[in-house]
Amino acid sequence: DAMVIQNPRYQVTQFGKPVTLSCSQTLNHNVMYWYQQKSSQAPKLLFHYYDKDFNNEADTPDNFQSRRPNTSFCFLDIRSPGLGDAAMYLCATKPAGGPYEQYFGPGTRLTVT
Amino acid sequence: LAKTTQPISMDSYEGQEVNITCSHNNIATNDYITWYQQFPSQGPRFIIQGYKTKVTNEVASLFIPADRKSSTLSLPRVSLSDTAVYYCLVGDPERGNAGNMLTFGGGTRLMVKP
Repeated sequence: DAMVIQNPRYQVTQFGKPVTLSCSQTLNHNVMYWYQQKSSQAPKLLFHYYDKDFNNEADTPDNFQSRRPNTSFCFLDIRSPGLGDAAMYLCATKPAGGPYEQYFGPGTRLTVT
Repeated sequence: LAKTTQPISMDSYEGQEVNITCSHNNIATNDYITWYQQFPSQGPRFIIQGYKTKVTNEVASLFIPADRKSSTLSLPRVSLSDTAVYYCLVGDPERGNAGNMLTFGGGTRLMVKP
């Protein structure tokens, strides 16, 4: 089945140690998004790609970077994780144009020790 | 970007119809209204989307009045498995494919009791 896959589902990293979360899709969607969701809060958009065009939200910390080497894959890099970066990270995709539904992955829960 | 306001939480019982209303007073002409459901430790899941009047699918109905300043998600005959957080989103999908369609409001935590 076509889907959005996030690996790993659970990630533990140390304070200040760089970590990379990955997302892949078999839907061939042009648009990919990364969200951060902290406990009992709504998902917060970090950035999104329209194909290779990168769009950063104004309040996304510089500590967060992203790469999209091809249509199928997108990575979230946290350069120096702090305790406040512990959260669920959600990847989502959407076809370009039109009010199409968005497809979310299961998320990666990041713990910072 | 149209801001949305929803009740923080709602309680219901199995078999009842649940209506969750979302206010979006500054909705723009090209904005669509989309609802998502999220279970703990899972990604949000699309429920329904509409522009005006009424939309119905196999799981829900969406009612949008003529002024489009609010919308109501209707879940018929809820079950325990409908306990989740429900998010209302408002945005223009054509606006450069920006992230506005995925800017979540606070959400409504629905608790379905036996």
